This record gives sequence, structure tokens and C-alpha cells, in this order.
Amino acid sequence: AQRVTQPEKLLSVFKGAPVELKCNYSYSGSPELFWYVQYSRQRLQLLLRHISRESIKGFTADLNKGETSFHLKKPFAQEEDSAMYYCALSLSGGYNKLIFGAGTRLAVHP
Amino acid sequence: GAVVSQHPSWVICKSGTSVKIECRSLDFQATTMFWYRQFPKQSLMLMATSNEGSKATYEQGVEKDKFLINHASLTLSTLTVTSAHPEDSSFYICSASGDYLLAGSTDTQYFGPGTRLTVL
Repeated sequence: AQRVTQPEKLLSVFKGAPVELKCNYSYSGSPELFWYVQYSRQRLQLLLRHISRESIKGFTADLNKGETSFHLKKPFAQEEDSAMYYCALSLSGGYNKLIFGAGTRLAVHP
Repeated sequence: GAVVSQHPSWVICKSGTSVKIECRSLDFQATTMFWYRQFPKQSLMLMATSNEGSKATYEQGVEKDKFLINHASLTLSTLTVTSAHPEDSSFYICSASGDYLLAGSTDTQYFGPGTRLTVL
């Protein structure tokens, strides 16, 4: 069965510290993975997708098929990074259904 | 760009009544729209996928007679919660994907702001 696991409900760090939000997936097909972010009182928005191989707001994520992981990383956290982060898996075969992880709340303290 | 709106943003209704929620893609044609439900402090759960002009595909455990989805045009999908009960109270979020002309984004989902439904 397809599944996305984000083991941490809350990740609390100080400003300037490195951040790694973990995401593991289970899917027998060819995975397409995304990170979505939801800032306080705002809608869910796409942060990055693995096929783009880009860095957005200093965040990067590398797909590791061997470990079935897609961890989100940032070397130096900023207070404005505080938000809810969701890892999502897009299923191939039509309609691009997204399976979301439970989400990790990142709290960056001054 | 790629803006998705939802209306209303919140609604309170009496038990037994029906509520309609609209989802619109404002600046692109949404060939596919998705409806999610989010309980407090929980993740988004996909309810159904709809393509313009065809019947919605519901996820397992979602009652299609209770949650009626219509995707009559490339910019509008509606979710009607029929005979609503307190347990239907939730945050309903739609997303849309389509032909927005950004590189690599033709299959990206763009999310609406959500609609909070409270059934008394």
C-alpha cells in the first residue's frame, strides 16, 4: 500500500541551526515526491518537488530510492520558516493523486 | 498565478441540511480537481478526484451519496455535503491541476484556502 511517513510531529530548533524534516515513503511504482508548506493561517503551497532538483527558500530535498526517503533540509533555519510541512507522494497512472504524510510542525526559535 | 479560490470560507449549518462548497481556478483551466478533508491537527485526506465533464472518483470509505461532487466546467467544481451531521464538521480543501503555463507545473496541485464547515 502507498504510504508517506513523517515520524516527527514537531521539530523545534533555534534560529541558525540546521534542519532536517524526515519523510519516508512506501510505493511500488515510480515515485514522484513533493514537499508542501502551510504557514499560519495560509493555504497549502508547494515548496519543492524532487524532479525539479531546485532549492527554494534555502530548502533542498533529495530522493533516495534505496532508503525510500525524501528528507527536507536547510542548513540554517530562519524564524520565518516556522510552519507545517507536509511530504506528499504522487501516484502514477493518472490524475496525479497525492498521498500526504501526517505533517511536521517546524518551530524556529530566536 | 495559479490561484484557486473556495467559497464560502466558513459555513455553519443545522443538522440535516445540505451545504455546497465551490472551488474555482481563477487563472487557469483545471482539468482535474481534488477534494480533501482535514481534521484538526491531522493531515489532508483525499476524498475524491474529479475531471471536468466526468463522474468523480471517490476514495475508499467516502460516501458518494453524501458528498456530491460536480465538475461542470474547467474552472469550477462543487462539493455538496448532503444531510449534514455534526460528524461532517471539518475543514474541506480543494486543489486543482491543469494547464497552467509554468515549466514543470502542469501536474502540480494548487490548493484553495479551505472551507470550515460546522454542523450544529
